[in-house]
Amino acid sequence: SQKIEQNSEALNIQEGKTATLTCNYTNYSPAYLQWYRQDPGRGPVFLLLIRENEKEKRKERLKVTFDTTLKQSLFHITASQPADSATYLCAHISWGKLQFGAGTQVVVTP
Amino acid sequence: KAGVTQTPRYLIKTRGQQVTLSCSPISGHRSVSWYQQTPGQGLQFLFEYFSETQRNKGNFPGRFSGRQFSNSRSEMNVSTLELGDSALYLCASRKPGTSGSNEQFFGPGTRLTVL
Repeated sequence: SQKIEQNSEALNIQEGKTATLTCNYTNYSPAYLQWYRQDPGRGPVFLLLIRENEKEKRKERLKVTFDTTLKQSLFHITASQPADSATYLCAHISWGKLQFGAGTQVVVTP
Repeated sequence: KAGVTQTPRYLIKTRGQQVTLSCSPISGHRSVSWYQQTPGQGLQFLFEYFSETQRNKGNFPGRFSGRQFSNSRSEMNVSTLELGDSALYLCASRKPGTSGSNEQFFGPGTRLTVL
């Protein structure tokens, strides 16, 4: 079955460093991946979408890469700030349904 | 432009009862999807409605149902509640006439607790 996986362990990082999150997919080749941010008790907020023919996408301090050979997308937060602390989810459309990974919690400490 | 709104925000029910949750999408959005989020299972797709028709359905029992009205507002209903139905229920809307690649705009969710 098609699976989308994220590292469930929390990522603790010092302010100013780059946080790198991984999203792996198996048994299929998504045409694109979406990344969302979710704060506790709130709905996810869309951040970026990257298509399979795009190697990299940037938005301010965020960068997403898509490696179809490795079946992996990397999400980078550069110059991280405490306000970046949240859970980050990757998602894709599978059979018309948006399927999410489990999410990776990022904690940025001053 | 107002975002996606969901009511109520919090709900406490007992086993066996039924519940109806409401979602108002962003003005002009005709696609509304519902998700269940629990610590153990994460975000799981329930169903999607577009122009009052269910377009997709996730792997949930028939106790979970939904509908969409002509103004795009949507409701979901859960009958015969079980303890395991305790979750954050999220509604999301999407722009009309777009492919599935477009972003979803989520509401704040309804926190359902089943006792």
